Amino acid sequence: DQQVKQNSPSLSVQEGRISILNCDYTNSMFDYFLWYKKYPAEGPTFLISISSIKDKNEDGRFTVFLNKSAKHLSLHIVPSQPGDSAVYFCAASGMRFGAGTRLTVKP
Amino acid sequence: GAGVSQSPSNKVTEKGKDVELRCDPISGHTALYWYRQSLGQGLEFLIYFQGNSAPDKSGLPSDRFSAERTGGSVSTLTIQRTQQEDSAVYLCASSLRGGDQPQHFGDGTRLSIL
Repeated sequence: DQQVKQNSPSLSVQEGRISILNCDYTNSMFDYFLWYKKYPAEGPTFLISISSIKDKNEDGRFTVFLNKSAKHLSLHIVPSQPGDSAVYFCAASGMRFGAGTRLTVKP
Repeated sequence: GAGVSQSPSNKVTEKGKDVELRCDPISGHTALYWYRQSLGQGLEFLIYFQGNSAPDKSGLPSDRFSAERTGGSVSTLTIQRTQQEDSAVYLCASSLRGGDQPQHFGDGTRLSIL
């Protein structure tokens, strides 16, 4: 059963614009969420996290928003840069990962 | 470096053979995870070790898969009687104490079953 879903397999944005990556989950017991970034032939690297007691967490160009009532979270990247081009994974309570969204930032 | 190390980086074997994949976590990390990523898919959780507790094996897909962690450090994932559907990238991660701690991933072992 897919408890964490990333319904958009890919996203393309122009450099300097905002990238918004979405993630939905089904289990209301999940109490923290993390975003990871993955480049080809490398393991994922941690980007940002949020606890279920918060609705927003910001770190530089990256902001994660959590809407518990909708069981939805999103990652905003502003401004997007070509180096942000990677696959982004949403994870819930440590071990449950979405299928990933491939972000392409065009110069 | 001081990151998570996995070996081998690539493994090609014939169907029916057994394989062992190794993971060296970051020193001092008590939590260790194994995942696999099949082509075009997300990360599928396999097994989780936390300190001296019994591992969470709920993600292992069949009894052909097993893993152990010796001395709270190095871990080995073993796949017996490999099948073609076992072809995937196997990723290992460690974290300081599990729970909400971010995981640090190795670069994976790409396993190809002929």
